Amino acid sequence: TQLLEQSPQFLSIQEGENLTVYCNSSSVFSSLQWYRQEPGEGPVLLVTVVTGGEVKKLKRLTFQFGDARKDSSLHITAAQPGDTGLYLCAGVRGGADGLTFGKGTHLIIQP
Amino acid sequence: DSGVTQTPKHLITATGQRVTLRCSPRSGDLSVYWYQQSLDQGLQFLIQYYNGEERAKGNILERFSAQQFPDLHSELNLSSLELGDSALYFCASSGWGGYNEQFFGPGTRLTVL
Repeated sequence: TQLLEQSPQFLSIQEGENLTVYCNSSSVFSSLQWYRQEPGEGPVLLVTVVTGGEVKKLKRLTFQFGDARKDSSLHITAAQPGDTGLYLCAGVRGGADGLTFGKGTHLIIQP
Repeated sequence: DSGVTQTPKHLITATGQRVTLRCSPRSGDLSVYWYQQSLDQGLQFLIQYYNGEERAKGNILERFSAQQFPDLHSELNLSSLELGDSALYFCASSGWGGYNEQFFGPGTRLTVL
């Protein structure tokens, strides 16, 4: 059973469109992180959200943590080809444990 | 560049063999984590070391073991390899405090034939 479910699994859209990807769980996490991974490379941390209801913006990317700290979303405005990649959410249960990852959303932005 | 280094980049071996993957964390980071990434399972946490001591275990098989040395580099040992062990293996490190943000190395791609 996957503790973190990400949707959609695959998304291919045109440059300039907006999109939202979701990360859902039945478990509560003390914080949640979003990573982006490109082929042949390791994941790169984008953001950490900690407080229920928190919203963080990173240029055209908006991250939200659910009020109950069980889910999160990533919204990209005016997507660009450089946004192409695998977007992973990862939950932190507490302390310095290993991260629990979702399976990711494969995003392709076509020029 | 995350500051985390991993060697080798690629490894091809046969079933039943044993391999060792190496990781050097970012300067100053005491925690090292090992993850396995496969197409069907995604990224799975294997094990964590903190300043030379095992701190947490995830979905690590008994055929796998790890250690962290006094200079803080870590090695992941995989033995009696099976075809299903073919995957990307990532090392990550984190510093003290914060929210367990981790910095990943470039990974080792293991192929078991």
